[in-house]
Amino acid sequence: QEQLVESGGGVVQPGRSLRLSCAGAGFSFTNYAMHWVRQAPGKGLEWVAVISSDGSNEYYADSVKGRFTISRDNSKNTLYLQMNSLRADDTAVYYCARDVLGDFSGWFDPWGQGTLVTVSS
Amino acid sequence: QSVLTQPPSVSGAPGQRVTISCTGSSSNIGTAYDVHWYQQFPGTAPRLLIYANNYRPSGVPDRFSGSKSGTSASLAITGLQAEDEADYYCQSYDTSLSGYVFGTGTKVTVL
Repeated sequence: QEQLVESGGGVVQPGRSLRLSCAGAGFSFTNYAMHWVRQAPGKGLEWVAVISSDGSNEYYADSVKGRFTISRDNSKNTLYLQMNSLRADDTAVYYCARDVLGDFSGWFDPWGQGTLVTVSS
Repeated sequence: QSVLTQPPSVSGAPGQRVTISCTGSSSNIGTAYDVHWYQQFPGTAPRLLIYANNYRPSGVPDRFSGSKSGTSASLAITGLQAEDEADYYCQSYDTSLSGYVFGTGTKVTVL
């Protein structure tokens, strides 16, 4: 069964850092690009970042560029999101998702269950 | 701020047909990039519903269908059922933003 499981969420003060993890299982993790998508409370979905299957390319939404870093460890089947200089408007459930095609026309499937990040003093 | 616009809500009686529009522009839906649709129940992760404009993953009922034309796409639900009550999002890629984009989301209510 293809599965993604996020971890690392919690409450953090503005300006601080947090690292999220996403463990993949049931599929060949190394063959797929991976995304982070977030959803603020009561709001819609917002794409955050994507990393290529071999980790050589990364792309970010303007809202997080320069503050967040996506990375992966294919030996551990794990995706990461390093979040620095956190702001209140980064408060959201963060989902990881697999990119089925690995090019810009791909769709997201499956999704993890999400991990909640709350930025508050 | 979403660049793909959806109606905030649509509703219908059981058995009826409802459609959800997803309006974009020449830099996203109007390009060669496909449109995909996701279903989300409260408190749960999104689930892929339609991919590549009009294909259904295994396990998705055939009452769900998608289409794309010009700078817009749409999701149709025929034979609406109570279990279809959820939020629905379209998604594509935007060449001007150099990033993936989601629609504003539509809440479907079964009357």
